[in-house]
Amino acid sequence: AQTVTQSQPEMSVQEAETVTLSCTYDTSESDYYLFWYKQPPSRQMILVIRQEAYKQQNATENRFSVNFQKAAKSFSLKISDSQLGDAAMYFCAYRPLFNSGGSNYKLTFGKGTLLTVNP
Amino acid sequence: EPEVTQTPSHQVTQMGQEVILRCVPISNHLYFYWYRQILGQKVEFLVSFYNNEISEKSEIFDDQFSVERPDGSNFTLKIRSTKLEDSAMYFCASSGFISSGNTIYFGEGSWLTVV
Repeated sequence: AQTVTQSQPEMSVQEAETVTLSCTYDTSESDYYLFWYKQPPSRQMILVIRQEAYKQQNATENRFSVNFQKAAKSFSLKISDSQLGDAAMYFCAYRPLFNSGGSNYKLTFGKGTLLTVNP
Repeated sequence: EPEVTQTPSHQVTQMGQEVILRCVPISNHLYFYWYRQILGQKVEFLVSFYNNEISEKSEIFDDQFSVERPDGSNFTLKIRSTKLEDSAMYFCASSGFISSGNTIYFGEGSWLTVV
């Protein structure tokens, strides 16, 4: 079974600075997707960024970028020029590419990292 | 941008009562999911639904839970006899063709409080 581990329950960053959130995962699959979701106090789940495992290039979305290390099974999220609106819980998630082992493409989430942005 | 919509946003119910949570997935999506998040805890998978039937369910999804897609647009989660421990945020989600790498999109959640 796939597992996703976020080892940092909480992180804080000063406004305008850069912060990196860590995520590791365990899988026997070679092809899969990885995601970062943001959950603000409203508790809505908002997609931040997506990475396909078969792509070597790290995904970027404006101020958000990832460092995907497939061999190490690591998928960290870097937030540049942090803004007050970035304060939220961030969840790392894994999804298989193929429906093997009855996973039915479901997402497996980590426990989340609560990010605080200090003015 | 298309979105997943859920109703109600918040419901308070007495223990033992039946609850139905409703979802309208993104049109032309094929895979539908319910997830649950107890306050302060991780997001947990409940059930996936494809081609008008359950394709996978977790250990949480016991006999008191059921899902259906009655009219081709709505996707509902029913909890027959609620327990205190069912208090949680319930997220509906949907996605399109897996081969195209479509992301799972979440609704805003239905916050269920059982008293």
